[in-house]
Amino acid sequence: GESVGLHLPTLSVQEGDNSIINCAYSNSASDYFIWYKQESGKGPQFIIDIRSNMDKRQGQRVTVLLNKTVKHLSLQIAATQPGDSAVYFCAENTNAGKSTFGDGTTLTVKP
Amino acid sequence: NAGVTQTPKFRILKIGQSMTLQCTQDMNHNYMYWYRQDPGMGLKLIYYSVGAGITDKGEVPNGYNVSRSTTEDFPLRLELAAPSQTSVYFCASSPSGGAREQYFGPGTRLTVT
Repeated sequence: GESVGLHLPTLSVQEGDNSIINCAYSNSASDYFIWYKQESGKGPQFIIDIRSNMDKRQGQRVTVLLNKTVKHLSLQIAATQPGDSAVYFCAENTNAGKSTFGDGTTLTVKP
Repeated sequence: NAGVTQTPKFRILKIGQSMTLQCTQDMNHNYMYWYRQDPGMGLKLIYYSVGAGITDKGEVPNGYNVSRSTTEDFPLRLELAAPSQTSVYFCASSPSGGAREQYFGPGTRLTVT
């Protein structure tokens, strides 16, 4: 069946270091892969997405890498800041109007 | 724009009671979604709508109903509440299909006892 999962439930980094959050997916037919950030007590917030025909996309301080060979997705955050502390979800768009979310990785940034 | 708004923010229900969670968006988005998020978990899609008058089931629709009479509103109805429906409920909207550019509301925390 379809599933999106994350390799590690928690990640702790030092302020200023780079962070890498990983995600594995199982459905080769997905059109888009998306990263969301969820701060405590709030709804998820869209960060960046990548289409299935791409292998890399860059945003402001973030980069998403897609490896379709091993069905792996990663989010890289450069120069991590305390405000980056949150739960990060990957999501997989499998059909128009539907998406599947992973369980999330909690990122903690130590000052 | 207010974006996506949800009411109430918190609610405690007794087993067997019913309630409606309200969701409104002012971005003129065609697509709207209802998710539930259990503690420490990701989001599970309950129902979604691709436009006024059109709704469809998501991954976990049992125990819920929706309607979409206008573009702006997408209420979620819980009939005969059960403890298993204790969760945080998020409404989202999108200008296009799928998870791209979904905008989420602040959530409704529901406890069924």
